[in-house]
Amino acid sequence: NAGVTQTPKFQVLKTGQSMTLQCAQDMNHNSMYWYRQDPGMGLRLIYYSASEGTTDKGEVPNGYNVSRLNKREFSLRLESAAPSQTSVYFCASSPTLYEQYFGPGTRLTVT
Amino acid sequence: QKEVEQNSGPLSVPEGAIASLNCTYSDRGSQSFFWYRQYSGKSPELIMFIYSNGDKEDGRFTAQLNKASQYVSLLIRDSQPSDSATYLCAVNRGSTLGRLYFGRGTQLTVWP
Repeated sequence: NAGVTQTPKFQVLKTGQSMTLQCAQDMNHNSMYWYRQDPGMGLRLIYYSASEGTTDKGEVPNGYNVSRLNKREFSLRLESAAPSQTSVYFCASSPTLYEQYFGPGTRLTVT
Repeated sequence: QKEVEQNSGPLSVPEGAIASLNCTYSDRGSQSFFWYRQYSGKSPELIMFIYSNGDKEDGRFTAQLNKASQYVSLLIRDSQPSDSATYLCAVNRGSTLGRLYFGRGTQLTVWP
């Protein structure tokens, strides 16, 4: 039981490049979330999916898109990366719409 | 006013002492409250949650909730150097099920 996994662990992009961050959970959780964490800013919600087939914007959705591929997988796409998107990205899942369990994170640098 | 505010810290306590971490929230409709621990360079780890007014104990950790004062705290008894981390308070508002609002965290250092 791996919990929540994220790939890649580290990534460096040039401005304007695109990429997809992958997240998968094996806990049969209904809800999944994408956060970014910046120094001094805490965790900010980008998008979430309360259940398979639904997605909703969080606090900072601009510049991102998501896909809930199935119950296990929730991906985050940056279409045209900008230096302001340099951050640590965490995926989380929840069985109940309450407590959330986090993956190990992806450290993204955009130059 | 930010949704969730935490005492900014950093907080430094000696080994064996009680560490007290505080959090206030702005939405009176908030229903559930969570404490996460985050070691440097790692992901947040859920350590406790509380839904009802009063105290909830789990080992050396006690969460306290006062909905009238919109205040939640975490006490760590017999603090250990391994408790040194950033502690994040998170709140689930009743109107937005599934979303957690996080404070910016309080950095705790326990010195031997």
